[in-house]
Amino acid sequence: AQTVTQSQPEMSVQEAETVTLSCTYDTSESDYYLFWYKQPPSRQMILVIRQEAYKQQNATENRFSVNFQKAAKSFSLKISDSQLGDAAMYFCAYRRFDGTASKLTFGTGTRLQVTL
Amino acid sequence: DTGVSQDPRHKITKRGQNVTFRCDPISEHNRLYWYRQTLGQGPEFLTYFQNEAQLEKSRLLSDRFSAERPKGSFSTLEIQRTEQGDSAMYLCASSQGQNTGELFFGEGSRLTVL
Repeated sequence: AQTVTQSQPEMSVQEAETVTLSCTYDTSESDYYLFWYKQPPSRQMILVIRQEAYKQQNATENRFSVNFQKAAKSFSLKISDSQLGDAAMYFCAYRRFDGTASKLTFGTGTRLQVTL
Repeated sequence: DTGVSQDPRHKITKRGQNVTFRCDPISEHNRLYWYRQTLGQGPEFLTYFQNEAQLEKSRLLSDRFSAERPKGSFSTLEIQRTEQGDSAMYLCASSQGQNTGELFFGEGSRLTVL
């Protein structure tokens, strides 16, 4: 079974600074998707960024980028120029690439605080 | 497009009572998922539907839990004979078509069992 591990329960960053959230996963599959989802307090979860495992290039979405190391099964999220609105729970998630509606498997999350 | 909506947002019940949650997915989405999230944990998969067919159920989904998606539109999740351990946030998500991966989540239904 696939597992996703986030070893940082909480992280803190000053506004305008850069922070990196860590994620490792375990799978025997060669093709899969990896995601970072953001869950603000009392709000729904939204997708931050997605990475297809067959792509060597790391995904980037504005201030958000990932460092995908397939051999190490590592998938970290870098947030640049942090803003107060970035404060939230961040979940790393894995999805098998099998052409069907397979489920997402989530990590336990990292709570990000953004300070002035 | 109003997004995924869930009802009720909060439910407080006494142990042993039955509760039902409803999820309305984004209208063109044919896939619908239920997750459970407890405090300090990531969402745990419960079950999912493609149209009206329930394709997978987690071992977490005991025989007290049942989910339906009649006509492939909205879905209901019923918990019978609730226990205090059922207290959690129940999240619904939907997605469309090919396996692009992204799920769209609702705001969740929080259950408190006294």
